[in-house]
Amino acid sequence: QKEVEQDPGPLSVPEGAIVSLNCTYSNSAFQYFMWYRQYSRKGPELLMYTYSSGNKEDGRFTAQVDKSSKYISLFIRDSQPSDSATYLCAMSGGDGGSNYKLTFGKGTLLTVNP
Amino acid sequence: NAGVTQTPKFQVLKTGQSMTLQCAQDMNHNSMYWYRQDPGMGLRLIYYSASEGTTDKGEVPNGYNVSRLNKREFSLRLESAAPSQTSVYFCATRAGGQETQYFGPGTRLLVL
Repeated sequence: QKEVEQDPGPLSVPEGAIVSLNCTYSNSAFQYFMWYRQYSRKGPELLMYTYSSGNKEDGRFTAQVDKSSKYISLFIRDSQPSDSATYLCAMSGGDGGSNYKLTFGKGTLLTVNP
Repeated sequence: NAGVTQTPKFQVLKTGQSMTLQCAQDMNHNSMYWYRQDPGMGLRLIYYSASEGTTDKGEVPNGYNVSRLNKREFSLRLESAAPSQTSVYFCATRAGGQETQYFGPGTRLLVL
């Protein structure tokens, strides 16, 4: 079993839709959870960062972590064509023993159609 | 404030040639990382440097060497390029005490 599983998609939605992106993981030591957005031919950029379980909201984006289920989600409300990108989840244990290496999902390609 | 910069943006090599990918940051971060990204494989860690003067292997180090020249610069060298090293290479940095990493724009490498 891979440490982090992420459905690669592609996911295609109409403008204005609510988008749900998800990752599951197997390592219960993970405590820090991130979502990166990567536009075509660009580097990943940090979108959301959460520690432990719970929700975090930033504008149209909400990150949700359920450590009991080992499941994280990113919700995008009122999706826009500019949200079209690949979304990568990433996580770490934060204990220093892994030298702060991140474990990434393979990414989900999202297209928002006008 | 440029953040993380990488040079070159794009390079074509012949099998057996060598080259060095450069990464520089002005974020005053301690740790730096080199990843490669391939279709269907995601981001894979090649080497990292937890702090100036230290380097360690990541998940896929074979065929690569690194140098942490100073706090700002971390280079990745391919001594004898192979077609399997065709990829997009990303440099990333991380501040001390934080978990998040910040990525450069990438170098697209094609080995023929």
